[in-house]
Amino acid sequence: DTGVSQDPRHKITKRGQNVTFRCDPISEHNRLYWYRQTLGQGPEFLTYFQNEAQLEKSRLLSDRFSAERPKGSFSTLEIQRTEQGDSAMYLCASSLDGTASGANVLTFGAGSRLTVL
Amino acid sequence: GNSVTQMEGPVTLSEEAFLTINCTYTATGYPSLFWYVQYPGEGLQLLLKATKADDKGSNKGFEATYRKETTSFHLEKGSVQVSDSAVYFCALNTGFQKLVFGTGTRLLVSP
Repeated sequence: DTGVSQDPRHKITKRGQNVTFRCDPISEHNRLYWYRQTLGQGPEFLTYFQNEAQLEKSRLLSDRFSAERPKGSFSTLEIQRTEQGDSAMYLCASSLDGTASGANVLTFGAGSRLTVL
Repeated sequence: GNSVTQMEGPVTLSEEAFLTINCTYTATGYPSLFWYVQYPGEGLQLLLKATKADDKGSNKGFEATYRKETTSFHLEKGSVQVSDSAVYFCALNTGFQKLVFGTGTRLLVSP
C-alpha cells in the first residue's frame, strides 16, 4: 500500500470556477477525513466518512462544498464557484476504526494545494 | 471549546542542542493528544501520541508527557539533528479522530 494519495497536487483556477479533488485512502481504512490548511495555520477539520456515509460536516463547509465517498473507497471534494478565500491546502486522511494495533490514528496524504486567482 | 496553543516559531537550534516545543490545550474531558510533523513537500506524519494522563509518547528520540494538571503536552528531544528541521503540530482528538491542531512550530536546525 502506498499510503493516502491525493490528486491533483496543485490546482490554479480563476474565481467562480468549480474544482474537484480526489483522495484514495489506505485500502483497509474505513474512515476518511478532509481537512483544510491555510498558510501559517494548522489543519482544520471539514468532514468525515465512515465507509460511504458522511457522518459529520464542519461549519467551515459552506454549501459550495460537497464531498462524496460513493463506494466507501475513494472520495471527492468539490468546490463550486470558487472564491479567493478558498485558497488553501486540502488534506485527506484515513484511519481504521476499531481496537487493532494502529487503529484510530490518522494517516494523511500530501495534500492538494488550491490557488484561486 | 477545544483548542491547542503552541509556542510560536521559528525555533532555531544548533545540531545536538536540546529541544522543547511547548503545547497547552483546552478541552472537555480527557482527549488523546498527538504530535504530528510536516516535512517540506510532504504530508503530516504522526510522531507520537498519548491517550491518558501521565502517559508518555515517544518516537525517534522525541518524547512528550500528557500532563492533566497543567493541561500540557510539551515535545522534547535531547539532541536534535539537521534532519529534524520541519514544522511540528500539537493536536487533540475531540472524538472520532476529529483533530484540533495548533498553529504549528517551525524548527530549524543548523549544522
